[in-house]
Amino acid sequence: KAGVTQTPRYLIKTRGQQVTLSCSPISGHRSVSWYQQTPGQGLQFLFEYFSETQRNKGNFPGRFSGRQFSNSRSEMNVSTLELGDSALYLCASSLGFGTGSGEQFFGPGTRLTVL
Amino acid sequence: AQSVSQHNHHVILSEAASLELGCNYSYGGTVNLFWYVQYPGQHLQLLLKYFSGDPLVKGIKGFEAEFIKSKFSFNLRKPSVQWSDTAEYFCAVVGSGNTGKLIFGQGTTLQVKP
Repeated sequence: KAGVTQTPRYLIKTRGQQVTLSCSPISGHRSVSWYQQTPGQGLQFLFEYFSETQRNKGNFPGRFSGRQFSNSRSEMNVSTLELGDSALYLCASSLGFGTGSGEQFFGPGTRLTVL
Repeated sequence: AQSVSQHNHHVILSEAASLELGCNYSYGGTVNLFWYVQYPGQHLQLLLKYFSGDPLVKGIKGFEAEFIKSKFSFNLRKPSVQWSDTAEYFCAVVGSGNTGKLIFGQGTTLQVKP
């Protein structure tokens, strides 16, 4: 079974630009969660999508948004990039329902550098 | 507020030493608990999980963890570490009704000296 894939793996942008990151979950998984990982703040939850609907949201500004498609693939978008947005962005997928639904499988991440 | 606290930020051990990493959480309600590991250059992998039942759970590579509800703790243990266990370890919690929102601890960097 293929794992969670994320594209691109590396991205360099400048302040003020916007960026879109993509995530393909494990086949059959309907939930996709996004996390930001930085040395200072650690792993922080951004949002979760389940069946094309945002089900949970973390404490990030509105510049961070996402969506999920009917095939469960998800994208996250960051507009008006700031230097502090430089981070590893992780996507995780899970069944999203039933016993054990909290078990998440992580992708390799997208390393975003904002200059 | 929901939070996870890992007691040790950086641990250095010699091979064959025993390991215990502390994890305490603050969460109102029923939780599911996890330990994830991130080896150098690799992505986060699940080490072990607790959903219900026996509070002593076993994971991959000889790791185990004990859930003590009264202490809100989920400590990770391994009797004898190997050099290949060098990695960053994260404790995480999710509310049983909040399946997609993992709350992570700050992580513990484990360095095992050969």
